[in-house]
Amino acid sequence: DAKTTQPPSMDCAEGRAANLPCNHSTISGNEYVYWYRQIHSQGPQYIIHGLKNNETNEMASLIITEDRKSSTLILPHATLRDTAVYYCIVRVPPDDYKLSFGAGTTVTVRA
Amino acid sequence: DVKVTQSSRYLVKRTGEKVFLECVQDMDHENMFWYRQDPGLGLRLIYFSYDVKMKEKGDIPEGYSVSREKKERFSLILESASTNQTSMYLCASIPGVGRDAVKLFFGSGTQLSVL
Repeated sequence: DAKTTQPPSMDCAEGRAANLPCNHSTISGNEYVYWYRQIHSQGPQYIIHGLKNNETNEMASLIITEDRKSSTLILPHATLRDTAVYYCIVRVPPDDYKLSFGAGTTVTVRA
Repeated sequence: DVKVTQSSRYLVKRTGEKVFLECVQDMDHENMFWYRQDPGLGLRLIYFSYDVKMKEKGDIPEGYSVSREKKERFSLILESASTNQTSMYLCASIPGVGRDAVKLFFGSGTQLSVL
């Protein structure tokens, strides 16, 4: 399985864009990149996923580099409710049933 | 909305006790997972199941077993609880096919303390 590397923590000002990096240099051609987040005292929540094209939904945007060795999750206008731990994982759906999470990035949005 | 329900939010047990953590999902998902979460370590996969009566070991299965007798229910069993099993336990499910086959749905977690 491809491993991911994320910074342990980052701060962001409310209303500004938050850019969360993830390194997955050993990703294979059929592995997707997924992002989840976990707000304190809750279970993790799916945010977005992608293979090689950039993706956008109502929560965030996902930018994947052309060589697919890294990606960036963008929260366009961070709010205090976006304070959470953000996890980047790689997976081959639907055959890879084993999903492992690393330590993630703790994002603190400050007023 | 998909609902994944864990039977207890907080649980306190004594060393050596047999502990059952129950998880039920209401969306007919094929795959279910048990994770534990400890500060600084992220989520670590204990066991998962991709069908009734089927199970696979995750990254840290030692000291745990699981049971999946019905599709909607996945139980985590600590045969003889130890203090190093004090942790937050999270259950999750994901469908095998379809539009949501990429999304894990998590329960709210069970904070287990073993004294």
